[in-house]
Amino acid sequence: QVQLQETGPGLVKPSETLSLTCTVSGSSFSNYYWTWIRQSPGKPLEWVGYIDYIDYTGSSNYNPSLKSRVAISLDTSKKHFSLTLTSVTAADTALYYCARGVTMIHLDVWGIGTTVTVSS
Amino acid sequence: QSALTQPRSVSGSPGQSVSISCTRSSSDVGDLTYVSWYQQHPGKAPKLIIYDVTKRPSGVPDRFSGSKSGNTASLTISGLQAQDEADYYCCSYAGSSTVFGGGTELTVL
Repeated sequence: QVQLQETGPGLVKPSETLSLTCTVSGSSFSNYYWTWIRQSPGKPLEWVGYIDYIDYTGSSNYNPSLKSRVAISLDTSKKHFSLTLTSVTAADTALYYCARGVTMIHLDVWGIGTTVTVSS
Repeated sequence: QSALTQPRSVSGSPGQSVSISCTRSSSDVGDLTYVSWYQQHPGKAPKLIIYDVTKRPSGVPDRFSGSKSGNTASLTISGLQAQDEADYYCCSYAGSSTVFGGGTELTVL
């Protein structure tokens, strides 16, 4: 059965860089959209972006509102993909989920999420 | 304000049917040819319950159904049960991006 597990520091200081990893088990990376979604307290889901792995090459796509600060990478040998968000502020405090996408909007497997708080 | 508008809340009694709408409120959003719906219980990760407007993943009860008319997609839950109480999100394409609706809180009375 496919499982995703997010890991990373729970606390990040303002202006620093947030880095999260999603470890994948039970699935190949090929032909899926490896996606990050976040949810600020009391707010709706927000798509962060994805990296796909089509024909053994990866390409990424990001939320335009985050595009200048976000990067998603993939390491198939380590069976994980990662999120990097630079210059964080309190507005980046959220529960961050990773998910496997059959398409960009068909997210069939989700991790349980990891909370990130931005605070000094 | 999301480009996909959902009612903030809906409610129904056990056994009844409820529908949750998801309206395209921005020209950035496509024509809702492809819509997914997610169910999120408090403190839990979202779960896919509908994809491609009308299709149900394996294991999702047929009490959950999806439809679309014009600029609005809808999720209908029939034979409402206590465990259906959750937040529901629609999701579609906005240009080359993914967008979620603002979410609807379903209360089972």
